[in-house]
Amino acid sequence: KNEVEQSPQNLTAQEGEFITINCSYSVGISALHWLQQHPGGGIVSLFMLSSGKKKHGRLIATINIQEKHSSLHITASHPRDSAVYICAVETSGSRLTFGEGTQLTVNP
Amino acid sequence: GAVVSQHPSRVICKSGTSVKIECRSLDFQATTMFWYRQFPKQSLMLMATSNEGSKATYEQGVEKDKFLINHASLTLSTLTVTSAHPEDSSFYICSARLAARQETQYFGPGTRLLVL
Repeated sequence: KNEVEQSPQNLTAQEGEFITINCSYSVGISALHWLQQHPGGGIVSLFMLSSGKKKHGRLIATINIQEKHSSLHITASHPRDSAVYICAVETSGSRLTFGEGTQLTVNP
Repeated sequence: GAVVSQHPSRVICKSGTSVKIECRSLDFQATTMFWYRQFPKQSLMLMATSNEGSKATYEQGVEKDKFLINHASLTLSTLTVTSAHPEDSSFYICSARLAARQETQYFGPGTRLLVL
């Protein structure tokens, strides 16, 4: 069993829909990251969380430390949101362990 | 936001040659840089953690003599793939963390290596 599991693996939505991507982990962490990877490979850091909730524009990330679970929400989705979304947990020594990613496709 | 660059963005080389990849933090000082590798359709895997002025810490299974890491300054880390083989073909990504405070890592755009 992977230390970090994401669901769903693939997600197709219509423009405007509310999207949720889930991440569960099985180890003790100091923080959790949500990343966005575009088709060219470049990675953008969206959020770094250690508790509660963060919001940036149409993106919202939440984490429940007791349940070892985090969610990434996208409101009013747009085709430009199409990308791979990756959950990564940070453990000792700032090491990141990555989930396998969720491929999101938003159709116009 | 903080910017991390990588050079080259893409490289094709012959088997047996060595390839150097640079990772630079352009507008901040990074005491710690990380090197990752991503094979097609797979998630990123941490290869090594590089601290300025000291030896890199390699993850289990990563050969330190094959993947040479140098972090000579607070803004530059290099990864040299020595005697590259086709199985080293991959997407190599670096990230950097701001000095003085622990927060998010800023990722470079990646280097796609193809070994023929």
